[in-house]
Amino acid sequence: KNEVEQSPQNLTAQEGEFITINCSYSVGISALHWLQQHPGGGIVSLFMLSSGKKKHGRLIATINIQEKHSSLHITASHPRDSAVYICAAWVAGNQFYFGTGTSLTVIP
Amino acid sequence: KAGVTQTPRYLIKTRGQQVTLSCSPISGHRSVSWYQQTPGQGLQFLFEYFSETQRNKGNFPGRFSGRQFSNSRSEMNVSTLELGDSALYLCASSLWRGQSYEQYFGPGTRLTVT
Repeated sequence: KNEVEQSPQNLTAQEGEFITINCSYSVGISALHWLQQHPGGGIVSLFMLSSGKKKHGRLIATINIQEKHSSLHITASHPRDSAVYICAAWVAGNQFYFGTGTSLTVIP
Repeated sequence: KAGVTQTPRYLIKTRGQQVTLSCSPISGHRSVSWYQQTPGQGLQFLFEYFSETQRNKGNFPGRFSGRQFSNSRSEMNVSTLELGDSALYLCASSLWRGQSYEQYFGPGTRLTVT
């Protein structure tokens, strides 16, 4: 049983398209993280949110606590956005539960 | 400001041996977390240390242990290595800055167990 489910697993988009990656979780969380992992393994923490919405550049993350669902949106996608995006549910006093990741490829 | 550093970057060990991995966090960060990443299981949380105390722990056997020193540097130890321990081991340092949470990952240590 996976505490965190992501969809889609793989996503191919044309440059400029609006992209949405979804994350659903079954545990009671304190916060939800979105991570980006580029080929070669380096991981970057994009957002940590516990309610509402956060925006950074072309990236927007939203969370609905009641529905136990979060989305990561990328506006005006670019080939450099190609990476694996991972959501992680943080259960305070416990641990992180990770999704399996969404592999995004943006084609020029 | 220097990033999170991990040593060594690559390591090959034999089944039954033990290994120690090191992580130096960003200056000023007192929290260090460790993660294991494998193709089959993805990312999994190992443990988190804050001010030399283990604060949270994932679901890994006791063969996996860690510690944190007074300068916030952390080590992770795996004893009696198994083939399934082959993985990328990542550490991350983090800091609450007001209401903002910052987390930075190191480049990882690629461990191969033969």
